[in-house]
Amino acid sequence: SQQGEEDPQALSIQEGENATMNCSYKTSINNLQWYRQNSGRGLVHLILIRSNEREKHSGRLRVTLDTSKKSSSLLITASRAADTASYFCATDAQGAQKLVFGQGTRLTINP
Amino acid sequence: GAVVSQHPSRVICKSGTSVKIECRSLDFQATTMFWYRQFPKQSLMLMATSNEGSKATYEQGVEKDKFLINHASLTLSTLTVTSAHPEDSSFYICSAVGLAGGWGTDTQYFGPGTRLTVL
Repeated sequence: SQQGEEDPQALSIQEGENATMNCSYKTSINNLQWYRQNSGRGLVHLILIRSNEREKHSGRLRVTLDTSKKSSSLLITASRAADTASYFCATDAQGAQKLVFGQGTRLTINP
Repeated sequence: GAVVSQHPSRVICKSGTSVKIECRSLDFQATTMFWYRQFPKQSLMLMATSNEGSKATYEQGVEKDKFLINHASLTLSTLTVTSAHPEDSSFYICSAVGLAGGWGTDTQYFGPGTRLTVL
C-alpha cells in the first residue's frame, strides 16, 4: 500500500511565489527522496535527504525532514513557469531499496 | 547524471498480443532495476524488483506470469506484458540503482516511461 501521503494534491500559484508541498509517511526510513514528473514523462530526481538530516538545499529547493513527525516538506522558491509538474516524495520502506511513492502534488505556476 | 532509457516510448497493440519493454542503464551498471506502473493522474505503483541473474520479486497482486521480467545483464531489464488486455493500458516506468561505489547507490534513476495502449 502507498506509504506516503502528500498535500496539497494540487497547488496553483503565481510565478515568483514560493511553493510548499508536504509529505507524510508511516514507517521508519533510511532516506526520503523528492522527484518531479512532467506530464507524460519519466521522473527526475530532485533531492535525497537521509534520516539523520533535518534540512537540505539544492538551488531553489529546500527540503526538510522531521522523523519524529514522519513528515517532509519541499519548498521551491521564486517559482518559474517551468516548475509546473507533479512532485512526488518517495521513501525506502523498511530500509529496502524499493521506493514507496506518495500520491503527488500537481503544481501549476501561472505566468 | 546517470541515464536510463526505455524502448519503445509508446506502443499500441491489439488485445491478446504480447509486448516487450526494454529498460537500459546507459552509463552505469545496475544490479537492481524496478518496474512501476502509473495510471493517469495517479502515483507510481511498484510492480516488481528485478535483480541481475536472479528471478524478479513481484509485489502483492501483480501476476508474475502476466508480467514477465528478465534482467539479463547489468545494463538491461525487460518487461513483457503477455496476452495484453485493455486494462493493462498504462504508463510503465523503470528505474535503476547503481553498483556500490558507482552512481548514487541510494538513488533510483528513472527511465522516460513507455505508454502502452491495448485496443
